[in-house]
Amino acid sequence: AQSVTQLGSHVSVSEGALVLLRCNYSSSVPPYLFWYVQYPNQGLQLLLKYTTGATLVKGINGFEAEFKKSETSFHLTKPSAHMSDAAEYFCAVSFPSGGYNKLIFGAGTRLAVHP
Amino acid sequence: DGGITQSPKYLFRKEGQNVTLSCEQNLNHDAMYWYRQDPGQGLRLIYYSQIVNDFQKGDIAEGYSVSREKKESFPLTVTSAQKNPTAFYLCASSADRNQPQHFGDGTRLSIL
Repeated sequence: AQSVTQLGSHVSVSEGALVLLRCNYSSSVPPYLFWYVQYPNQGLQLLLKYTTGATLVKGINGFEAEFKKSETSFHLTKPSAHMSDAAEYFCAVSFPSGGYNKLIFGAGTRLAVHP
Repeated sequence: DGGITQSPKYLFRKEGQNVTLSCEQNLNHDAMYWYRQDPGQGLRLIYYSQIVNDFQKGDIAEGYSVSREKKESFPLTVTSAQKNPTAFYLCASSADRNQPQHFGDGTRLSIL
């Protein structure tokens, strides 16, 4: 069965430090991969996506992610954290299912950024 | 600006009552989705619709119902059969099955 695992429900970094949020998936078919960000009491905003082509994907707000097929991973990184990056981040994968691409979400990682 | 509008932002339900959550999009997207979000969990799919007058059950459809009479609208009814309705409900849409889903700002439903 397809699944998504986000390692670490809470991650805390200092402002200016590297942000690394981990995502692993299991799938028998090549997936599409997404990272979304959610601020309190708001919906999800797409950060970046991988469908085909270049495995290093750049998104909004300075985030990027690399698809590593051999490791079944799609980790999200940002070189220097900003206070405004504090939010919850969701990794999601999309698989063909019954005529539409079913989106499966990880449980989320809450990122805290401290001065 | 195009987007997805969910209303109301907060909703309270009495025991035995049905309530309807509104979702409207002006993105001209064919596909629409309803998700439920609980603390510490990811989003779980309730229902989805790929075209007007057609919809399919998701992973947790019991106690919920939907309709898709217009392309831009996909209301969700939380029925009295849903025994644990307290959650954050998110509506989404996409142009087609290969495109990312865009989300509304959600409705928080609580029990009185």
